[in-house]
Amino acid sequence: GESVGLHLPTLSVQEGDNSIINCAYSNSASDYFIWYKQESGKGPQFIIDIRSNMDKRQGQRVTVLLNKTVKHLSLQIAATQPGDSAVYFCAENMIQGAQKLVFGQGTRLTINP
Amino acid sequence: EPEVTQTPSHQVTQMGQEVILRCVPISNHLYFYWYRQILGQKVEFLVSFYNNEISEKSEIFDDQFSVERPDGSNFTLKIRSTKLEDSAMYFCASIPEVGQREYFGAGTRLSVL
Repeated sequence: GESVGLHLPTLSVQEGDNSIINCAYSNSASDYFIWYKQESGKGPQFIIDIRSNMDKRQGQRVTVLLNKTVKHLSLQIAATQPGDSAVYFCAENMIQGAQKLVFGQGTRLTINP
Repeated sequence: EPEVTQTPSHQVTQMGQEVILRCVPISNHLYFYWYRQILGQKVEFLVSFYNNEISEKSEIFDDQFSVERPDGSNFTLKIRSTKLEDSAMYFCASIPEVGQREYFGAGTRLSVL
């Protein structure tokens, strides 16, 4: 069935270090993936997305890697800042038909000063 | 960046009462969504709406739930007879077309007493 899960519920890193947040998905038909950041009391905020015809995409300080062979997605955040502290969700989607996002459980990232 | 707006930010209601959660999607978007997030859990899809009708709905979206686009700008979620387990954050989202990332509102916190 469709499900998206995360390996680690919490992650703590030192300010300035790089962080990697992982995500496993089970629906091999999913072809569009998004990482969202959620701060306390706020809605999901878009970070970066990637389509299944790519295996890597870079943004500002963030990189998403997609490994379709093992159905794994990761978010790399470089030079972490205190403002990066939040819960990070991956979400998968099948572009065909009515789009809907299937979210993972989320990883809480804490940046230590 | 364009925004999805939701009102109210917090709604408190008695069990059994009807509530209407309101959303104003981004003006040129065509697909609209409601998601729910119970405290500490992942974001869950409720319903998608396109061309003035429901495209897809989840098992959560039972007969107590309904959606409406009463005019050209508002998109509402109605819960006819609230239950304690309806307490959650409700997020509205919209996209201009399928295959684009979803823009989320800040959410409405629904507290059923």
